[in-house]
Amino acid sequence: AQSVTQLDSQVPVFEEAPVELRCNYSSSVSVYLFWYVQYPNQGLQLLLKYLSGSTLVKGINGFEAEFNKSQTSFHLRKPSVHISDTAEYFCAVSEGNRDDKIIFGKGTRLHILP
Amino acid sequence: GAGVSQTPSNKVTEKGKYVELRCDPISGHTALYWYRQSLGQGPEFLIYFQGTGAADDSGLPNDRFFAVRPEGSVSTLKIQRTERGDSAVYLCASRRGSGDTQYFGPGTRLTVL
Repeated sequence: AQSVTQLDSQVPVFEEAPVELRCNYSSSVSVYLFWYVQYPNQGLQLLLKYLSGSTLVKGINGFEAEFNKSQTSFHLRKPSVHISDTAEYFCAVSEGNRDDKIIFGKGTRLHILP
Repeated sequence: GAGVSQTPSNKVTEKGKYVELRCDPISGHTALYWYRQSLGQGPEFLIYFQGTGAADDSGLPNDRFFAVRPEGSVSTLKIQRTERGDSAVYLCASRRGSGDTQYFGPGTRLTVL
């Protein structure tokens, strides 16, 4: 069975500063990896996903994530954050080649400080 | 185009009552998923439909929870004898085919008093 650990429940960062949201996963099989964002009072939206191929994945709104198999990590990064990035970010995993259910982490709340 | 829609957006009920939550997937999407998101947690998988049949219902917490998708489109999540612990946001998602993205609806916030 897969599991996801998001190491930080909240991350404060100043506007225009870089940010990294950490995610580690556990699985005995190959996986698909995802980052979803949930803006205040809105539904979940896919930021980016890793299925195969290049380990550096670029998503929407300037976010990117890197798949590291040896460290079982999929950290999310953005070089310069904006106030509009304030949201809850969820890392998620599904079993590779069986993209049915997605297992989500508990989420990281990103606070952008002015 | 229209996204996944869920009705009602909010539902308040009393302990012991029966509730139905509805999900309208994106047109043409064959797969449909239900998740539950409790306060401060990530979404938790409940059940997955491929067409009309439940392909995986391993996430349903107990036999008070049941879901149907009789015509392979709209789905209804049914909860019998609701308990206060059932209070959560119930999310629906749909997907066109294998490898495609799951698109989420806005959710139904269920409050059991």
